[in-house]
Amino acid sequence: EVHLVESGGGLVQPGRSLRLSCVASGFIFDDYAMHWVRQPPGKGLEWVSGISWNSGNLDYADSVKGRFTVSRDNAKNSLFLQMNNLRSEDTAFYFCAKPLFLERGVFDVWGQGTMVTVSS
Amino acid sequence: DIQMTQSPSSLSVSVGDRVTITCRTSQNIGSYLNWYQQKPGEAPKVLIYAASTLHSGVPSRFSGSGSGTDFTLTISSLQLEDFATYYCQQSSSTPYSFGQGTKLQI
Repeated sequence: EVHLVESGGGLVQPGRSLRLSCVASGFIFDDYAMHWVRQPPGKGLEWVSGISWNSGNLDYADSVKGRFTVSRDNAKNSLFLQMNNLRSEDTAFYFCAKPLFLERGVFDVWGQGTMVTVSS
Repeated sequence: DIQMTQSPSSLSVSVGDRVTITCRTSQNIGSYLNWYQQKPGEAPKVLIYAASTLHSGVPSRFSGSGSGTDFTLTISSLQLEDFATYYCQQSSSTPYSFGQGTKLQI
């Protein structure tokens, strides 16, 4: 069965950093681009970042560009999101998501999410 | 960037109702439009992709239509388990934007 499990969330002060991880299982990880999507509590979904299968193409929402860095380790079936200079508006559940095969940007598998709270 | 306008934001419905949710995009995206269902405390689940393709395991009472800039999600006969929030999302180009969501309420 295909699974994505995020970790690394928590309470952090504004301006500080946090690194999220997502471990994948049940599929050939390096066959797929991977993505991060976030959702502030009680609000809608926002695509945050994506990374190609070989890390050759990285993409970011304007709201996080220059502060967040996406990476992956295919040998460990893992996806990461390094979040620097965090702001209160970054408070959200962060989901990693896998796209459907040959359907870029269609997310058929999601993790359970990890909560990031940015507050002093 | 492509802007998404989803309506309505909420809908009061009953079991057995036919439900229609619309999504409009700020640019022509062809058929790169997807629909997700999200229940409280859960991650979203894809229902429809490429505007009208039913994802594996999704009941046939869900259907999608449209192309270009105007799209529709239809639930032909609402079931109790369908009370949730629905989001449209464009996958034509990054950033992959989502609609604001439509919450179905009893």
